[in-house]
Amino acid sequence: NAGVMQNPRHLVRRRGQEARLRCSPMKGHSHVYWYRQLPEEGLKFMVYLQKENIIDESGMPKERFSAEFPKEGPSILRIQQVVRGDSAAYFCASSLDIQETQYFGPGTRLLVL
Amino acid sequence: GIQVEQSPPDLILQEGANSTLRCNFSDSVNNLQWFHQNPWGQLINLFYIPSGTKQNGRLSATTVATERYSLLYISSSQTTDSGVYFCAAASGGSYIPTFGRGTSLIVHP
Repeated sequence: NAGVMQNPRHLVRRRGQEARLRCSPMKGHSHVYWYRQLPEEGLKFMVYLQKENIIDESGMPKERFSAEFPKEGPSILRIQQVVRGDSAAYFCASSLDIQETQYFGPGTRLLVL
Repeated sequence: GIQVEQSPPDLILQEGANSTLRCNFSDSVNNLQWFHQNPWGQLINLFYIPSGTKQNGRLSATTVATERYSLLYISSSQTTDSGVYFCAAASGGSYIPTFGRGTSLIVHP
């Protein structure tokens, strides 16, 4: 049973470009969470999605950031017009249900030049 | 929201030593997990432990929910135990965990 998959593992963008981060949850998991980790800090919750629905986006910046989890295909975290402060590791996690253990993917390291 | 504090922030051990990592949280929890982030950045689930005690090999964890803390014990540490250990807790009606800042562990051979 494959774990949570994320791609790309590393992404370099210039200021003003768009970044698209993908997350495929574990098989059978319909709950997906995105977190951001700045250097030497813990993970900060961004958004929680359940197939086709955003359940909680309280941790996601209102501008430039969006997330989706379509009926078919991976969850996408999209950052438009990236700035240097967006440089971070972005982790995706999935779970069977909201109360169940979250399993994390390997992360995408975004570097904005 | 819930506050999660971990101590110590840094820990250096000689291989074979034992250690205890602490996680204090500010509210009653419905979800508490311990993770190990290895030097390559991968997050590995260690324990899902909102209360009670669990053991897995050289690692064990205890959560005393009424006193709002959890402890992670590492016995006979190995160099592969190096990395950052995170505690994450959720409270109230939310199951979205709040992460502590982690304990950075270095185990020397």
